[in-house]
Amino acid sequence: NAGVTQTPKFQVLKTGQSMTLQCAQDMNHEYMSWYRQDPGMGLRLIHYSVGAGITDQGEVPNGYNVSRSTTEDFPLRLLSAAPSQTSVYFCASSIAGYQPQHFGDGTRLSIL
Amino acid sequence: AQSVTQPDIHITVSEGASLELRCNYSYGATPYLFWYVQSPGQGLQLLLKYFSGDTLVQGIKGFEAEFKRSQSSFNLRKPSVHWSDAAEYFCAVGATSGTYKYIFGTGTRLKVLA
Repeated sequence: NAGVTQTPKFQVLKTGQSMTLQCAQDMNHEYMSWYRQDPGMGLRLIHYSVGAGITDQGEVPNGYNVSRSTTEDFPLRLLSAAPSQTSVYFCASSIAGYQPQHFGDGTRLSIL
Repeated sequence: AQSVTQPDIHITVSEGASLELRCNYSYGATPYLFWYVQSPGQGLQLLLKYFSGDTLVQGIKGFEAEFKRSQSSFNLRKPSVHWSDAAEYFCAVGATSGTYKYIFGTGTRLKVLA
């Protein structure tokens, strides 16, 4: 049972490039979310989804896009990478939004 | 809207000493409360949760937390800290209403002295 799987684990991009961070869960959880973690700021919610076909913005959605075509997958797209998006990104899933979150191991992203 | 405050950014304790990490929340109804631990380079792991009932909840790794409604607090405690407890600890609130269903505090980094 893999839980929440994030790929890649590390990535370096140049300013202006685009990329997709992958997230997959095998627990049949309806609720999935993306966070970014920056020093001293805790985890900030980027986007979340309450089920396949339903997504919504979190606290810091600008510059990011998501889709949820299946229950298992919730990719995060950086449309045009900027240095301010250098961060550690975590994907999480849960049975419901207020229930305990299951986290992936994170993606460390550097934008040059 | 709900919010979570962890007033201590860093805490240093000696191995074997007791530990208390503070967490205050703001939410109009009874919240769902959580503590997570993050070791360096890892994701977050659930330590314990409070949904209802007994206000003192036990978690993994010898941790416990007490929900105090009158103080809007959910402090994490451990009677005797081990060097392996050095990590970052996050308090979180889950809400059944409101815009965001899950809010994290900014974290408390624990350092353990040998």
